[in-house]
Amino acid sequence: GQQVMQIPQYQHVQEGEDFTTYCNSSTTLSNIQWYKQRPGGHPVFLIQLVKSGEVKKQKRLTFQFGEAKKNSSLHITATQTTDVGTYFCAVPRDTGNQFYFGTGTSLTVIP
Amino acid sequence: DSGVTQTPKHLITATGQRVTLRCSPRSGDLSVYWYQQSLDQGLQFLIQYYNGEERAKGNILERFSAQQFPDLHSELNLSSLELGDSALYFCASSRRGSSLGYNEQFFGPGTRLTVL
Repeated sequence: GQQVMQIPQYQHVQEGEDFTTYCNSSTTLSNIQWYKQRPGGHPVFLIQLVKSGEVKKQKRLTFQFGEAKKNSSLHITATQTTDVGTYFCAVPRDTGNQFYFGTGTSLTVIP
Repeated sequence: DSGVTQTPKHLITATGQRVTLRCSPRSGDLSVYWYQQSLDQGLQFLIQYYNGEERAKGNILERFSAQQFPDLHSELNLSSLELGDSALYFCASSRRGSSLGYNEQFFGPGTRLTVL
C-alpha cells in the first residue's frame, strides 16, 4: 500500500543553522503539500507542489519536489526561534479524495 | 485565524461515555475533514464530507460516526469512549473535495478530548 516516510523525526538546531526535512513516498504523487504546526497550535498550510522538479521559495523556506515526484524536501535557511514547530508533508491518497499526512519533523531551535 | 471553528475546546469525560464534537467550516468551503492527533500516531485522517455527503473514510472506528448538515457544519460523534481515544481532534475544511488538484486545507483550533 501507499507509504509516506518523513525524516528526521526530530531535529535540534542552533539558531542561525540550516534545517531540512524530507518526505519520501513509495508511489508517484500527483502533488504534495507542506504544513507547519506550532506547539499547541493547529496545522497551517505552507505550500503545494505539483510539477516534477518544482522549486518554490517563501523567504527563508525552500520547497522542492523530486523529478520522479516521489519525494520532497523543505529547507529552512538560517533558522529563527519562530521556525519552531512540527512540519508535515501531506500527500493525496490513492482514492484521490483525502490526504495522508507524514509523521512530521519536530524542529527545535536553540537560541 | 483560519476561519474554521471547533467546539468545545476541551472535553473531559469518562470511559463508556459519548461525546459530540462540532465544526463549522470556512465560509464557502464545501469539504470537511476530521483528523485525530495523538502523540504516538501523528495526524490520522478519520473521515471526509463534501457538500453533505460522505466522500472518504480513513481510520475511523465503528464507535465513531460523523455527519455534515445542510448548513455545512459537521459533527463527529464518539461513543463507548476508551482511554485510548484521548487525543486532539481537528476539523479542516477546503473549497474542493478532491486531493488531486489544488486543495489547501484550513484547520480549526481542535478539540482536546481527555477520557478518564
